[in-house]
Amino acid sequence: GNSVTQMEGPVTLSEEAFLTINCTYTATGYPSLFWYVQYPGEGLQLLLKATKADDKGSNKGFEATYRKETTSFHLEKGSVQVSDSAVYFCALRGPYNFNKFYFGSGTKLNVKP
Amino acid sequence: GAGVSQSPRYKVAKRGQDVALRCDPISGHVSLFWYQQALGQGPEFLTYFQNEAQLDKSGLPSDRFFAERPEGSVSTLKIQRTQQEDSAVYLCASGVRGGNTEAFFGQGTRLTVV
Repeated sequence: GNSVTQMEGPVTLSEEAFLTINCTYTATGYPSLFWYVQYPGEGLQLLLKATKADDKGSNKGFEATYRKETTSFHLEKGSVQVSDSAVYFCALRGPYNFNKFYFGSGTKLNVKP
Repeated sequence: GAGVSQSPRYKVAKRGQDVALRCDPISGHVSLFWYQQALGQGPEFLTYFQNEAQLDKSGLPSDRFFAERPEGSVSTLKIQRTQQEDSAVYLCASGVRGGNTEAFFGQGTRLTVV
């Protein structure tokens, strides 16, 4: 069945450091892939998405590339800010059953000034 | 507002009580999801509606959980005879349509069963 695996956190970085959060997935075919971010006390906000292989999603300096060869969708940012501190969730939907999103367990990011 | 609205934000229930959680999706959104998020975990799927039709309820953990969306807009998640293990944040999300599009989440309802 479908599943998403994320690197365990927490990840602690200094401001302006480079960020990578690993995400790999298991699915039949080519699902759509998403990164959501959850700030304390808030719901999930869509950060970026990619709907087919080799697509790159980007938003607010974050990027992720849909790699079908490695079934991965790693999240990257060149220079993190304190305001990026949050929990990040990788998720997939489809390609044959669109009734649900499958989420990873989340990776908490702490950015220190 | 333009986003998904959930109420109440916080709910404390005594064990054995029934609770009802409300979700107001974004106007015009066809898809509606309910998820359960335990502390420190990722969201777990409960159920999915397309308009008023409940197309998937495979994630509902027991027959104490019931969801409805009678007019294809507002949805209610009802939990009967609450138990301590029901304590979690319940998230609602809506989407423009089915397929591989994204969903927009509300802030959630934090349910604590004491």
